[in-house]
Amino acid sequence: LAKTTQPISMDSYEGQEVNITCSHNNIATNDYITWYQQFPSQGPRFIIQGYKTKVTNEVASLFIPADRKSSTLSLPRVSLSDTAVYYCLVGGHSGNTPLVFGKGTRLSVIA
Amino acid sequence: EAGVAQSPRYKIIEKRQSVAFWCNPISGHATLYWYQQILGQGPKLLIQFQNNGVVDDSQLPKDRFSAERLKGVDSTLKIQPAKLEDSAVYLCASSLDSGSIGKEEFFGPGTRLTVL
Repeated sequence: LAKTTQPISMDSYEGQEVNITCSHNNIATNDYITWYQQFPSQGPRFIIQGYKTKVTNEVASLFIPADRKSSTLSLPRVSLSDTAVYYCLVGGHSGNTPLVFGKGTRLSVIA
Repeated sequence: EAGVAQSPRYKIIEKRQSVAFWCNPISGHATLYWYQQILGQGPKLLIQFQNNGVVDDSQLPKDRFSAERLKGVDSTLKIQPAKLEDSAVYLCASSLDSGSIGKEEFFGPGTRLTVL
């Protein structure tokens, strides 16, 4: 299973764009890149998933370069409610391959 | 759509006691997972079921932990006897496994276990 490396913590002011980069140098050909968000006392929640290039949904954008050895989660105009831990996961998501969570990035949004 | 349900939400026991957690996945989800999340760390997979069969239990401490998913729906996770280091949040998740599209796991709120 591909290992991921992401910053332990980040701080941001409200209204700013936040970019969290994740390194996954040994990503396999059939691996997807998935980001989850976790608030205190809650289970993780799926944010976005991609395979290559750029993916955008109503919550975030995911940028994946051509070599797929890293990815960047972009949160536009964060608010205090975006304060959470963000996990980058890499793995094959077909069949029975489980997700492997690292320690995540703790994002603190300041007013 | 109802989410993944777990009970109880909180449990406090003394070491060497037994405890059981219950999970009801989203209707129609074939795959069910139990994770252990220790404070400050990411969730760690304990066991994965596909319907009522075990797919992966390589990280389950089988000398004290057991899990079952009878009839391929609800699941229970049991710890007997509990140790201090079992204090953690136990998360249940389920997924559809949509093949090459990529799967999304839906998590329940978790059960916070404190072992004294």
